[in-house]
Amino acid sequence: GQSLEQPSEVTAVEGAIVQINCTYQTSGFYGLSWYQQHDGGAPTFLSYNALDGLEETGRFSSFLSRSDSYGYLLLQELQMKDSASYFCAVRDGGNQGGKLIFGQGTELSVKP
Amino acid sequence: DGGITQSPKYLFRKEGQNVTLSCEQNLNHDAMYWYRQDPGQGLRLIYYSQIVNDFQKGDIAEGYSVSREKKESFPLTVTSAQKNPTAFYLCASTPAAAYNEQFFGPGTRLTVL
Repeated sequence: GQSLEQPSEVTAVEGAIVQINCTYQTSGFYGLSWYQQHDGGAPTFLSYNALDGLEETGRFSSFLSRSDSYGYLLLQELQMKDSASYFCAVRDGGNQGGKLIFGQGTELSVKP
Repeated sequence: DGGITQSPKYLFRKEGQNVTLSCEQNLNHDAMYWYRQDPGQGLRLIYYSQIVNDFQKGDIAEGYSVSREKKESFPLTVTSAQKNPTAFYLCASTPAAAYNEQFFGPGTRLTVL
């Protein structure tokens, strides 16, 4: 079956850099996505990697290594508003369409 | 403005009652999804639909039912058979060509008393 592992909690200070790791096991691979969810809110899409390497979007970057079944989300110049839960997700390899499997989420706390 | 709406935001029901959660999107997306989220947990897929009049069970479909009679609408019914229905329910949608990027509604927090 499909499974994803990510740390449950990460703490960092304002202005710092933090990396949230995600390892996955899938029967097929169609890309790794990252979502952000503030407390009580809806998840919002951050990034997607289909191929190996680094994708940069402003202060956020996402990395993928398909040979290692591993990816990470890198947040730079941390701000208080970055305190949220971050989820990695993969497409279900056994499905023709769009079923995503989400990790349990990493709660990021940014301290002043 | 295009988006996904879920109503109501908060819902209270007595144990043993069925309840229907609304999800509407005006993004012209083909696929729609229902997830359940418990405190401190990830998202678990209840049902999803890739086209009108067709839907598939997700990982935790027992005690839930859905319909997809219109492209814009994907209501979820939480039946009395669902043993622990109190949770945060999220609806999402995607266009057919971009399944990795799901757009989420604001969610409905259901409390069964």
